[in-house]
Amino acid sequence: KQEVTQIPAALSVPEGENLVLNCSFTDSAIYNLQWFRQDPGKGLTSLLLIQSSQREQTSGRLNASLDKSSGRSTLYIAASQPGDSATYLCAVYSGGGADGLTFGKGTHLIIQP
Amino acid sequence: GAVVSQHPSWVICKSGTSVKIECRSLDFQATTMFWYRQFPKQSLMLMATSNEGSKATYEQGVEKDKFLINHASLTLSTLTVTSAHPEDSSFYICSAMIHPFEQYFGPGTRLTVT
Repeated sequence: KQEVTQIPAALSVPEGENLVLNCSFTDSAIYNLQWFRQDPGKGLTSLLLIQSSQREQTSGRLNASLDKSSGRSTLYIAASQPGDSATYLCAVYSGGGADGLTFGKGTHLIIQP
Repeated sequence: GAVVSQHPSWVICKSGTSVKIECRSLDFQATTMFWYRQFPKQSLMLMATSNEGSKATYEQGVEKDKFLINHASLTLSTLTVTSAHPEDSSFYICSAMIHPFEQYFGPGTRLTVT
């Protein structure tokens, strides 16, 4: 059974810093990996999707990498801003069309003004 | 981009009543939709996979007679929580799949059972 772990569980940094969020998964046989953002009491916002054949994806100040063989992904946030404060979730898709995503427990990020 | 809606966004019901939550893909067709549940300060847990025209597939530990799922069309899946109890209070989120295996999520439904 696939398991996803995110480290750290919580992180608080001053505005402007670059930071890295980590995600690891136990079964490397995945189709893709997604990073989401969730604001308190809200739904999910998809940030980046990396297919299993890809090594990284970039969107603005966000860069996600994937090392499928080692079961790891990182989300790099450059020049952090208070508006980046949220919970960041990593999820992997392992199924062949009939399975949902397996989520990590998330990293709760606070960017101090 | 692909948009998924949910209705209602929040609902309060009395213990013992049933509640229906709708999940719609607004600008695309989805043969497969998923229902997740999120308890406070926890991550999302898959409840069931909803397939258009066939029975839903439930995850271990999820009661299929309590959480009724109907995927009536390629744009609509419904989750009915039957005989709701306070422990069913949670945040329910649906997603719809577009190939190749990318999921788009609805905004979620906050259910409170009193």
